[in-house]
Amino acid sequence: DAKTTQPPSMDCAEGRAANLPCNHSTISGNEYVYWYRQIHSQGPQYIIHGLKNNETNEMASLIITEDRKSSTLILPHATLRDTAVYYCIVRETTQGGSEKLVFGKGTKLTVNP
Amino acid sequence: EAQVTQNPRYLITVTGKKLTVTCSQNMNHEYMSWYRQDPGLGLRQIYYSMNVEVTDKGDVPEGYKVSRKEKRNFPLILESPSPNQTSLYFCASSHAGQIHNQPQHFGDGTRLSIL
Repeated sequence: DAKTTQPPSMDCAEGRAANLPCNHSTISGNEYVYWYRQIHSQGPQYIIHGLKNNETNEMASLIITEDRKSSTLILPHATLRDTAVYYCIVRETTQGGSEKLVFGKGTKLTVNP
Repeated sequence: EAQVTQNPRYLITVTGKKLTVTCSQNMNHEYMSWYRQDPGLGLRQIYYSMNVEVTDKGDVPEGYKVSRKEKRNFPLILESPSPNQTSLYFCASSHAGQIHNQPQHFGDGTRLSIL
């Protein structure tokens, strides 16, 4: 089972910031938080990941709370092409190091004109 | 361009006719994996490979085989496809090792329909 909880859907106006929350209250100390998105049945696309510090790249920012029990993905200026399902994933390490990604149901973000 | 390439992108076939979905990556990744995606069930891992000649079962391996003879290729084989294997399939790859925490790169998907 996924170790994260996300709202099923969100809306955002084009040009505004989209803030997508994720709860991961059972995260352990060495587990990273990853964000991927999937645009209409295309392959999942990596966005960003972090351990405890806030991270920023050309796509987004990731804010992780100090207790690491939740995080927020921020798309600073959402465009129509950002409409997608966004997955917050706590990376699991299985015996033998499978590095399996466990995708939950994600958040369907709709960016409106 | 760094990419994971799957072929075919679409396939309609009949029950029992063996098929292979190819996956190739050009990033010299050690780790490769196959997922299937079904409505309401999300993405589930079928098989994975930590390196050449090393493969292992994921969560839903029944009815599938894989091989890893070369680092860049990781084909998914359906020896006797059945309708319950109708799904959207994704191949993914990354550098291995938790200490690296490298993101996985996904292919564009293969939509299989088994009649």
